[in-house]
Amino acid sequence: ETGVTQSPTHLIKTRGQQVTLRCSSQSGHNTVSWYQQALGQGPQFIFQYYREEENGRGNFPPRFSGLQFPNYSSELNVNALELDDSALYLCASSFRDRAGNEQFFGPGTRLTVL
Amino acid sequence: SQQGEEDPQALSIQEGENATMNCSYKTSINNLQWYRQNSGRGLVHLILIRSNEREKHSGRLRVTLDTSKKSSSLLITASRAADTASYFCATIPVMDMGRRALTFGSGTRLQVQP
Repeated sequence: ETGVTQSPTHLIKTRGQQVTLRCSSQSGHNTVSWYQQALGQGPQFIFQYYREEENGRGNFPPRFSGLQFPNYSSELNVNALELDDSALYLCASSFRDRAGNEQFFGPGTRLTVL
Repeated sequence: SQQGEEDPQALSIQEGENATMNCSYKTSINNLQWYRQNSGRGLVHLILIRSNEREKHSGRLRVTLDTSKKSSSLLITASRAADTASYFCATIPVMDMGRRALTFGSGTRLQVQP
């Protein structure tokens, strides 16, 4: 276990709805990254938060947004859900100021959009 | 888009055999990492190899890196049924060092038959 937790484990939504996913980072980590993993594919970087500010974004539209809180936990919000948003959403925490880039992943949230 | 591609996409071997997976990537990197994922859950960091290293060992794992060919290989020796999982290589392109976002390949699905 990495110490990174995510909630909920599974979620079913309908097209057009909004969803909020949550992540608690590993103790001592100050950076949270979110990834989307479609079935049979590798994870794709959505964005990263460092010290409560967005610190880089992948090729995802603005309806994907996030927050990082003072305790370094994080939320991923997706508005106007589309069928293609169905995926496993992974968060990963790390300590940015350390030379290595190892990231510690949570178990993921499986989102199904109907 | 995927930075790397793993080869083969799927691999089935008998317990006790060695498993070799290859990864190719496109741009200059600072380091390359291998992750393991069981049944579509969270990823577990296995090993990191820096761009100035050519080979690294960790237990039954051996990783090589050839920056001139932009490729890496992961060897699992004396495989066990518990090694059954998907394996991903991940890189952070030098140009992305600021945000340290991992770029994953599409993965190799390893099946170890008991």
